[in-house]
Amino acid sequence: DIQMTQSPSTLSASIGDRVTITCRASQSISDWLAWYQQKPGKAPKFLIYRASTLESGVPSRFSGSGSGTEFTLTISSLQPDDFATYYCLQYKTYWTFGQGTKVEIK
Amino acid sequence: QVQLWQSGPELQKPGASVNISCRTSGYTFNTYGISWIRQAPGQALEWMGWISPFTGKTEYAHSLQGRLSMTTETSTSTAYMELRSLTSDDTAIYYCARERGVVPFDHWGQGTLVTVSS
Repeated sequence: DIQMTQSPSTLSASIGDRVTITCRASQSISDWLAWYQQKPGKAPKFLIYRASTLESGVPSRFSGSGSGTEFTLTISSLQPDDFATYYCLQYKTYWTFGQGTKVEIK
Repeated sequence: QVQLWQSGPELQKPGASVNISCRTSGYTFNTYGISWIRQAPGQALEWMGWISPFTGKTEYAHSLQGRLSMTTETSTSTAYMELRSLTSDDTAIYYCARERGVVPFDHWGQGTLVTVSS
């Protein structure tokens, strides 16, 4: 099974900060990686697929990069609505989520 | 618009089974797979399994094989998930989500809380 490891598990940041979350796969997944945002009590929201393609309607301050085993999600200027938990998902072989990164207010 | 609507919360005893439905609308049901994903309290998302409404083919997470069944009813565009032999470790919010190849889990149900307690 492919394992996904996210870091950090928690990130404290301020409005306007540039934020980067990393996701590592236990083996190469090419660019079969997606990112999700989840707020408490809500279903996850789809942000990015194929590692770097922004879903329609997602603000352009979100971006994704990487291929193979290392991937990043970047928020260029953190906004109040962005405080949430973020998950990566590999979908090369079945589906595996990372353990999540909580972005909290500093 | 695309919608996935799940059945209501469940309280089950250890050893029992739970059945959750996921009624879809706003798209052609047979053209997307449906996965079930769960989230225990304070924990990460866990993929449970997938079904193709077109072929009926299923794929289940190894950890749940033998306890998990997924079916679909194309006439009502509804997917179903049954989990058997419940333990307290199965207490979680259960989500359905649609997927199609390049685009995974772009729309989700609202979630169904399953509580397993004696």
